[in-house]
Amino acid sequence: QVQLQESGPGLVKPSETLSLTCTVSGGSISRSSYYWDWIRQPPGKGLEWIGSVFYGGSTFYNPSLKSRVTISVDTSKNHFSLKLISVTAADTAVYYCASLQGGPWGRGTTVSVSS
Amino acid sequence: QAVVTQEPSLTVSPGGTVTLTCDSSTGAVTGGHYPYWFQQKPGQAPRTLIFDTSNKHSWTPARFSGSLLGGKAALTLSDAQPEDEAEYYCSLSYSGARIFGTGTKVTVL
Repeated sequence: QVQLQESGPGLVKPSETLSLTCTVSGGSISRSSYYWDWIRQPPGKGLEWIGSVFYGGSTFYNPSLKSRVTISVDTSKNHFSLKLISVTAADTAVYYCASLQGGPWGRGTTVSVSS
Repeated sequence: QAVVTQEPSLTVSPGGTVTLTCDSSTGAVTGGHYPYWFQQKPGQAPRTLIFDTSNKHSWTPARFSGSLLGGKAALTLSDAQPEDEAEYYCSLSYSGARIFGTGTKVTVL
């Protein structure tokens, strides 16, 4: 059974870069035919799709975040990563990694943007 | 950017049936939007119930079904159970970029 686990700092300063990693266990990213996704949920609000990456490296991004987001994959470490630059308080959220098509979601990690 | 709209809230009686819909501001929802449906309970991560309009995962209870209905994506819950009380989100694909719906709070009462 494939499981996902997010990791990274829980606190980021305004204007800095948010970096998260999603480690996949129980299956190989490179053997999957699915895209791997990042999603976030601000406190008390709905879900926002950030973007996705295929094991070969191709990506799709939310147009509203595209200028600040990079999603990459490292098949040797069986993980994929999110970088969001120039963060503000509006980026405070629970960040989830998932394979929306394949099914599994991580438990989520809370990231706060504050000085 | 498209907007994906869902009913804010719906109530269903235990054992009853309710249909949630997912509407696109750009026009009729088709299979090419690859509709997905997710369930989220308070304090928990979401889980995927339906992918590609009507396909279920192994963990999806049989009482949930997905379809296209009247130009929208639809999630039908039959024989509702108390544990089905949750927030439900749909998601549509627009040339690879996904947009989540506004969410529907389903109350089983």
